[in-house]
Amino acid sequence: GQQVMQIPQYQHVQEGEDFTTYCNSSTTLSNIQWYKQRPGGHPVFLIQLVKSGEVKKQKRLTFQFGEAKKNSSLHITATQTTDVGTYFCAGRIQGAQKLVFGQGTRLTINP
Amino acid sequence: KAGVTQTPRYLIKTRGQQVTLSCSPISGHRSVSWYQQTPGQGLQFLFEYFSETQRNKGNFPGRFSGRQFSNSRSEMNVSTLELGDSALYLCASSSGTSVFSYNEQFFGPGTRLTVL
Repeated sequence: GQQVMQIPQYQHVQEGEDFTTYCNSSTTLSNIQWYKQRPGGHPVFLIQLVKSGEVKKQKRLTFQFGEAKKNSSLHITATQTTDVGTYFCAGRIQGAQKLVFGQGTRLTINP
Repeated sequence: KAGVTQTPRYLIKTRGQQVTLSCSPISGHRSVSWYQQTPGQGLQFLFEYFSETQRNKGNFPGRFSGRQFSNSRSEMNVSTLELGDSALYLCASSSGTSVFSYNEQFFGPGTRLTVL
């Protein structure tokens, strides 16, 4: 079926280290969204990427959408304890327009 | 603006029963989506409504159904509950002026359903 694979499943870093999570789709995506879910909370929208090769930045966060619109990444520079949570990508399958979530990457940080 | 609200927040049911969950979207939002979140399966898409019409459906059995009212409020129903239906059910609303608009989603706090 249509899947969006997200890796790694877990990532533990020291505060100040960088962090990256990757999403790969088996089919072309119309767009991809990224969400953050804090422990005990609900997903909160971070950003949406639409164009092939698009790169967007939000302070220490950098989001990329692949040229083929099948993969995406989120990179956090110099992590802080406030970055703790699970990061999800969610891709709109082109044509079907269903939103498919990746399994999420759970980020924990050692202060 | 008030956020997405979901009721009830917690629910305990037994196998075989049915349950109805409610979602009130952000004022002005016409699109409402439902998701099931479990530790093992992650976030699974259930269905999506726009102006009372279902525009997308996930791969769930027919025991899962939903509807949207003219005021954009939405309900989902699960009949003949199974133990595996225990999960956090999340509702999300988004803005957009047409059935082809796919904007950012604003999630509610969820309903925690436990099936015994």
